[in-house]
Amino acid sequence: DAGVTQSPTHLIKTRGQQVTLRCSPKSGHDTVSWYQQALGQGPQFIFQYYEEEERQRGNFPDRFSGHQFPNYSSELNVNALLLGDSALYLCASSLPGLSDRETQYFGPGTRLLVL
Amino acid sequence: EDQVTQSPEALRLQEGESSSLNCSYTVSGLRGLFWYRQDPGKGPEFLFTLYSAGEEKEKERLKATLTKKESFLHITAPKPEDSATYLCAVQVTYYGQNFVFGPGTRLSVLP
Repeated sequence: DAGVTQSPTHLIKTRGQQVTLRCSPKSGHDTVSWYQQALGQGPQFIFQYYEEEERQRGNFPDRFSGHQFPNYSSELNVNALLLGDSALYLCASSLPGLSDRETQYFGPGTRLLVL
Repeated sequence: EDQVTQSPEALRLQEGESSSLNCSYTVSGLRGLFWYRQDPGKGPEFLFTLYSAGEEKEKERLKATLTKKESFLHITAPKPEDSATYLCAVQVTYYGQNFVFGPGTRLSVLP
């Protein structure tokens, strides 16, 4: 059973560019959340997608947007990249439904470096 | 504002030297507390979920406990392969399924 997968593993961009990160959830999961983890810090919640809609959003600017596809995979888009966007971007998936106690399983992350 | 703190920030142990990591939280409504292990450059790996005060979970050399204000991760007779960053996360009432993470404790176990 494949776990959560993310692509690419690493990415280098320059300031002002745009980036798209991709995530495939664990088999049987339909809810996908995205987190940003700066070096030496805990992950920070960006947003969550369920049934192809953004259900919850953390304290991130509109430059961060996302999408969920009918097969439950998801994309995170970041526009007008800033140096401060350099981080490990984590995708997490959880079990079906609106249960509020479902464990989130994380992918390996995409390391983004903005120069 | 919901807050999660972890202590110590870093911990160095000799192999076999037992210790505990602390996770303290101030949240408006706790739905669950989660412990994850994270190796450098990788995604967090799920360890435990705790839902109510007094609950305990065990896995190999790890044991997690929960009170109304904090959780402990006890490591008994650690081995070098237990070296990692241990993250604590809480699910809060108004935040749906999403987590508020602590900064983590970096554990090093020396042979």
